[in-house]
Amino acid sequence: QQQVKQSPQSLIVQKGGIPIINCAYENTAFDYFPWYQQFPGKGPALLIAIRPDVSEKKEGRFTISFNKSAKQFSLHIMDSQPGDSATYFCAASMGRGKLQFGAGTQVVVTP
Amino acid sequence: DTGVSQNPRHKITKRGQNVTFRCDPISEHNRLYWYRQTLGQGPEFLTYFQNEAQLEKSRLLSDRFSAERPKGSFSTLEIQRTEQGDSAMYLCASRASAEGGVLTFGAGSRLTVL
Repeated sequence: QQQVKQSPQSLIVQKGGIPIINCAYENTAFDYFPWYQQFPGKGPALLIAIRPDVSEKKEGRFTISFNKSAKQFSLHIMDSQPGDSATYFCAASMGRGKLQFGAGTQVVVTP
Repeated sequence: DTGVSQNPRHKITKRGQNVTFRCDPISEHNRLYWYRQTLGQGPEFLTYFQNEAQLEKSRLLSDRFSAERPKGSFSTLEIQRTEQGDSAMYLCASRASAEGGVLTFGAGSRLTVL
C-alpha cells in the first residue's frame, strides 16, 4: 500500500523553466515532509523539508507548497539548470527516520 | 567524517548464496536505518536501530534477512539463501537523536542475484 503518491513519473523542461512535482498522502498523522534528490549511483540527499503548520518554504531555488486540507504538497524548482537533472522523491513520516517515499520523478533539464 | 559509508558498493551473487553488507554511519549518529530501493521506485524502510537495539522491523524483512549493530557503531545486513527478487539497492542511513536531526543516506550497496 503506497502511502505517498507522487506525480508525474518524469518531466522534461528547458533551462530556466519551473518543474513542478506533486505528492499526496493519506495518513494525517504524518508531521514531516521532506524532499530528496538522487543522482545516478548515489544515495538520496535531503533537499528541503516542511512541517504541516507551514504552507510554504523556500530554500534557494527550491520551494515546497503545502496544502494540509487537501493532503497535498509540491516541489517547485525555480530557474532550473541542467545540473538539477536528477530523480526527486517526496516523503512523509511521523518522525524523521522512518520515511514513506513516493515513487520518484525523473527530471531532465535541457540546455 | 566522510558521511555514511557502505560496502561493498556492488555485489553479484548466485541464487541461494548468502551476502552481507556493511554500513558505517556518521560517527555521532546513534540512529541507523536500512532501506531497500528497487529500480524506478522510492526507498522502502526495512529496519531501524537506536544504538545497538533494533527497535523496528518492516514486514518486508523476511526471515532470510538479519541486521545487527553489535556495538552501536557499524551495522551489517545479511541476506541468506538469496533469491532473484532480492536484487535491489540496499541503502543505509543515519541521523542524530537530537531534534532536527537530518536523515543522511549512504551511496548504497547494489545486489544482483543471478
